[in-house]
Amino acid sequence: EAGVVQSPRYKIIEKKQPVAFWCNPISGHNTLYWYRQNLGQGPELLIRYENEEAVDDSQLPKDRFSAERLKGVDSTLKIQPAELGDSAVYLCASSLVWREQFFGPGTRLTVL
Amino acid sequence: ELKVEQNPLFLSMQEGKNYTIYCNYSTTSDRLYWYRQDPGKSLESLFVLLSNGAVKQEGRLMASLDTKARLSTLHITAAVHDLSATYFCAVDLDGTSGSRLTFGEGTQLTVNP
Repeated sequence: EAGVVQSPRYKIIEKKQPVAFWCNPISGHNTLYWYRQNLGQGPELLIRYENEEAVDDSQLPKDRFSAERLKGVDSTLKIQPAELGDSAVYLCASSLVWREQFFGPGTRLTVL
Repeated sequence: ELKVEQNPLFLSMQEGKNYTIYCNYSTTSDRLYWYRQDPGKSLESLFVLLSNGAVKQEGRLMASLDTKARLSTLHITAAVHDLSATYFCAVDLDGTSGSRLTFGEGTQLTVNP
């Protein structure tokens, strides 16, 4: 069974540029999560989707971050414009409702 | 606000020795997870603990959960070099809004020959 797929794996951009990350969850998992992991820290939840509905986005910096999961499967996380402090690993995870979360390989973002 | 604290944050140990990593959390929950992360890699699920008194073992690792003390432990028996990694505990809030993991800072384990 394929795991959570993320792309790109690495991204280097100049500050103020836009960037987007893509996630394909495990087949059948209706819950999708985006986390940000700063160096030397644990992941922090940005947004959680139940199917196509964002049910927990309280930690998402909405002035520059946006996310969508239009058909309840794939999801995209966007940052516009990126700031130096956005450099981190962005992790996508998926699960069945109230079950164990499985993480993708992550996208390592470097903002110069 | 839920707080999850792990200690120690850094652990250097010799092969063959035993040690325990502690995970304390501040709010009622009976769902706790342990993950392993190798450098530059994603998180690998190790244990899922879903009730008070739960104990799970896999190889040289054993995890337990005491929900009354709000404490989970990850015990390492006879460590080997391959166990070198960062270990995270994550607590799932006990609410009706669905799953919301809060992670500890992680324990960076180095096992020396």
